[in-house]
Amino acid sequence: DIQMTQSPSTLSASVGDRVTITCRASQSISSWLAWYQQKPGKAPKLMIYKASTLESGVPSRFSGSESGTEFTLTISSLQPDDFATYYCQHYSTYPWTFGQGTKVEIK
Amino acid sequence: EVQLVESGGGLVQPGGSLRLSCAASGFTFSDHYMDWVRQAPGKGLEWVGRSKKNTNNYATEYGASVKGRFTISRDHFKNSLYLQMNSLKTEDTAVYFCAVGIAVAGPNDYWGQGTLVTVSS
Repeated sequence: DIQMTQSPSTLSASVGDRVTITCRASQSISSWLAWYQQKPGKAPKLMIYKASTLESGVPSRFSGSESGTEFTLTISSLQPDDFATYYCQHYSTYPWTFGQGTKVEIK
Repeated sequence: EVQLVESGGGLVQPGGSLRLSCAASGFTFSDHYMDWVRQAPGKGLEWVGRSKKNTNNYATEYGASVKGRFTISRDHFKNSLYLQMNSLKTEDTAVYFCAVGIAVAGPNDYWGQGTLVTVSS
């Protein structure tokens, strides 16, 4: 199975900060990677798919990039609504797996 | 409007069985892949499995931790997805979400609200 290693597990930041979350795959997944945002008690929300394609309605301050098996989610200017937990997920070959999650907290 | 509504969660003893349902509406049920994803209390997301769409004969795939114990199926008359869970373990305690990819191929852009399964004696 492909393992997804996400870092950091927790990130403390202030409104307006540039934030970067990294996800590394244990083997090649091409660009078959999605990023989800989850708030407490809610279902996950798809933010980015195919590594860098922004889901409809997601603010442009979110972006995704890739370099080999390393993937990055960047929030260019953190907003109050962005404090949440973020997960990467590969959908290359079955079984699909999620990263461990990154909680973005208020500094 | 796409809607997914899970039901069937509850308290079950270790070794027991439970069947979850996901009622789907607002899209052509047979044309889309559908997933079950779970989240243990205070933990991260775990992909449970997938029911593929009509062109793939509704074949199923499972995560390693549930393979051989859980079975995903569909009822096309009821537009419902099911998760039959057997030989339940305490570590299966989680909120179970059903999800579907409508506008995207692969990941899921619509999710239900989840149903809680507690496995405990």
